[in-house]
Amino acid sequence: EAGVVQSPRYKIIEKKQPVAFWCNPISGHNTLYWYLQNLGQGPELLIRYENEEAVDDSQLPKDRFSAERLKGVDSTLKIQPAELGDSAVYLCASSPGTSGRDTQYFGPGTRLTVL
Amino acid sequence: AQSVSQHNHHVILSEAASLELGCNYSYGGTVNLFWYVQYPGQHLQLLLKYFSGDPLVKGIKGFEAEFIKSKFSFNLRKPSVQWSDTAEYFCAVYGNNRLAFGKGNQVVVIP
Repeated sequence: EAGVVQSPRYKIIEKKQPVAFWCNPISGHNTLYWYLQNLGQGPELLIRYENEEAVDDSQLPKDRFSAERLKGVDSTLKIQPAELGDSAVYLCASSPGTSGRDTQYFGPGTRLTVL
Repeated sequence: AQSVSQHNHHVILSEAASLELGCNYSYGGTVNLFWYVQYPGQHLQLLLKYFSGDPLVKGIKGFEAEFIKSKFSFNLRKPSVQWSDTAEYFCAVYGNNRLAFGKGNQVVVIP
């Protein structure tokens, strides 16, 4: 079974440029998560989707970040414009359901460097 | 909101040594606890989890963790580490519909 797929794996951009990350969850997983992981820190939730609906986006900086999950499968996370402090690893994860007992399966992440 | 504390961020030990990583959490509700591991160049993956029942949980690759409710702890242990256990280890607690991670422990096992 294929795992969570993310692209690109690495991205280098200049500040004020836009950037987008793509995630394809495990087939059949209704819940999708985007996390931010700064160096030396654990992942922090940005947004959680249940099917197409963003059910928890309270941690998403909406002035520059946006996300979508059309058709309840793939998802895209966008930053516009990027700032130096956005340099981090952006992780996507998926789980079969929404229970706290559901294991979250993580993708390899996209390492963003903003110059 | 829940939170997780992991101490001794960097751990260096020799093969065959015993490993114990501390994890303390803060959450007032029913806890679901996890340890995730990230091997070099790989993605985060589940090591073990605890929901209820026997507080001593066994995971993959010989790891185990003990839930001590009175101490709000979920420490990870392995009696004898191998070079292949070199990785970053994250403790996480699920609460308020959200998984909260600690800062992680970077473990290096010297052959």
